[in-house]
Amino acid sequence: NAGVTQTPKFQVLKTGQSMTLQCAQDMNHEYMSWYRQDPGMGLRLIHYSVGAGITDQGEVPNGYNVSRSTTEDFPLRLLSAAPSQTSVYFCASSYTPRDPRNEQFFGPGTRLTVL
Amino acid sequence: AQTVTQSQPEMSVQEAETVTLSCTYDTSESNYYLFWYKQPPSRQMILVIRQEAYKQQNATENRFSVNFQKAAKSFSLKISDSQLGDTAMYFCAFMKQDNNDMRFGAGTRLTVKP
Repeated sequence: NAGVTQTPKFQVLKTGQSMTLQCAQDMNHEYMSWYRQDPGMGLRLIHYSVGAGITDQGEVPNGYNVSRSTTEDFPLRLLSAAPSQTSVYFCASSYTPRDPRNEQFFGPGTRLTVL
Repeated sequence: AQTVTQSQPEMSVQEAETVTLSCTYDTSESNYYLFWYKQPPSRQMILVIRQEAYKQQNATENRFSVNFQKAAKSFSLKISDSQLGDTAMYFCAFMKQDNNDMRFGAGTRLTVKP
């Protein structure tokens, strides 16, 4: 198993550009999520999905879109990048909430800089 | 909303000694999970230990153990026989039982000195 994979590892954007951060998992997890990590603030939830076709907002959703067309993939779209979106982005996946094995498996992260 | 507080931004410990990282949380839920994650310089988030709130027994994983005080809403991590490879950021996290919305503390940067 590759676990949770993210591409790209690094990205530099100009203000106003759009892009998609890719996330995939091969563990057949129903739950997937996106976090951003800023200095001194830990990780904050952007969007999450409890299964294909179902997405919902987390703590900091503004400026981001997601979709979940398959169980494996959960891309994060930045519609019009802003310097405030400079951050490290983590994708995570896990078993269903009621599974006692429940823990989140994280991808390696994407460092995004918006100029 | 649930909040997680880690009051120690940075800590250091000598190799082979013991260190305790603090975490408190605020919730009205009775059923939930608590986690400690390690983030080394590679940035990879690695699960260290987890605790189910309904279990009174403190979780242990080799050199890592927790002191879970449910009434006090406290969840500290003890690292015994510290090793150089334990140098990392450590995040405490809370998750309600009925969903996977995980809330993280701001982290504690631990340095193990030779």
